[in-house]
Amino acid sequence: DTGVSQDPRHKITKRGQNVTFRCDPISEHNRLYWYRQTLGQGPEFLTYFQNEAQLEKSRLLSDRFSAERPKGSFSTLEIQRTEQGDSAMYLCASSLVGTGGSPLHFGNGTRLTVT
Amino acid sequence: RKEVEQDPGPFNVPEGATVAFNCTYSNSASQSFFWYRQDCRKEPKLLMSVYSSGNEDGRFTAQLNRASQYISLLIRDSKLSDSATYLCVATYTGTASKLTFGTGTRLQVTL
Repeated sequence: DTGVSQDPRHKITKRGQNVTFRCDPISEHNRLYWYRQTLGQGPEFLTYFQNEAQLEKSRLLSDRFSAERPKGSFSTLEIQRTEQGDSAMYLCASSLVGTGGSPLHFGNGTRLTVT
Repeated sequence: RKEVEQDPGPFNVPEGATVAFNCTYSNSASQSFFWYRQDCRKEPKLLMSVYSSGNEDGRFTAQLNRASQYISLLIRDSKLSDSATYLCVATYTGTASKLTFGTGTRLQVTL
């Protein structure tokens, strides 16, 4: 399978715990994005990488959130001291940089529930 | 005001009907536009890109009006399998090459 894969698919955690999600993009894609989606809303941009460089972070990404892409391949998204408001679907996507906008290819997402 | 706005619907249409969705974007620097389809509890999937001259893919037609800053999607001969949420997306190539999604328009095609 050459699509975007995310792990885990589901995560249930207690408030205050730390969680980490992993994303493996399509191998030839150099851009990797993290989005968050809640019920009834479209995906909201969190951050993106071009290769290993993190080029933008949304204001939504508080200091409890950190993302890395150390070797320009897979990425991790960590949420520290989780809050109930963090419950959402966390979507990873990748694309190939080019002129104009490149469509994103999404993974299945990680559904986080904070109790 | 949201950067990309859509009517959330739901649009309930009978099979075989033609249905159109509109979407407006606020950033005049937006350069690229897409329609994504999202099934319930699934990830968004690219439906089609939107080109300035308008483009068609089978039963689906996308239009872009830069002057009025809106995008449309027309679905002809609706099928039950078209039932999904349709997400309008705008992006611009600048320091932030991110895609901005609308909230989505839900379509329910019925017998």
